[in-house]
Amino acid sequence: AQTVTQSQPEMSVQEAETVTLSCTYDTSESDYYLFWYKQPPSRQMILVIRQEAYKQQNATENRFSVNFQKAAKSFSLKISDSQLGDAAMYFCAYRGGGSGSRLTFGEGTQLTVNP
Amino acid sequence: DAGVIQSPRHEVTEMGQEVTLRCKPISGHNSLFWYRQTMMRGLELLIYFNNNVPIDDSGMPEDRFSAKMPNASFSTLKIQPSEPRDSAVYFCASSRRERVAEAFFGQGTRLTVV
Repeated sequence: AQTVTQSQPEMSVQEAETVTLSCTYDTSESDYYLFWYKQPPSRQMILVIRQEAYKQQNATENRFSVNFQKAAKSFSLKISDSQLGDAAMYFCAYRGGGSGSRLTFGEGTQLTVNP
Repeated sequence: DAGVIQSPRHEVTEMGQEVTLRCKPISGHNSLFWYRQTMMRGLELLIYFNNNVPIDDSGMPEDRFSAKMPNASFSTLKIQPSEPRDSAVYFCASSRRERVAEAFFGQGTRLTVV
């Protein structure tokens, strides 16, 4: 079974600085997809960024980028120029490559942004 | 698009009562997931459906939990009888079945069993 591990329960960053959230996963599949979701206090789950495992290029969405290391099974999220609105719980998620596969989440990292 | 709609947003019930949570997925989505979120256990996948058929219910904690998807636009998660340890936020999410499709989440139902 696939597992997703986020080893940082909490992280903090100063406003305008950069922070990196870690995620590792375990799978025997070669084709899969990885996601980062954000959950602010409103508890709404919001997709931040996604990465297809077959793509070597790291995904980027504005201030959010990932460092995808397939051999190491690592998928970290970098937030640049952190803003107060980035404060939230961040979840890393894995989905297998078959159509209609399950979506498995890590434990989450609570990010605090200090003004 | 209205997004994934869950009802009720909040539910408080007494131990032993039956609770039914409802979900309307995004139109055209054919995968549906039910998750439970607690401080202790994080986000747990309870069950998911493809084309209204349950694919994996290994996350359903006990026989007290059951889920149905009678058609493509409606799903329910039922707990009978409810217990205080069932208190959690329950999320429903849907996605298209294509390979790279991400899941879209509802606002969740906060269940409190007293």
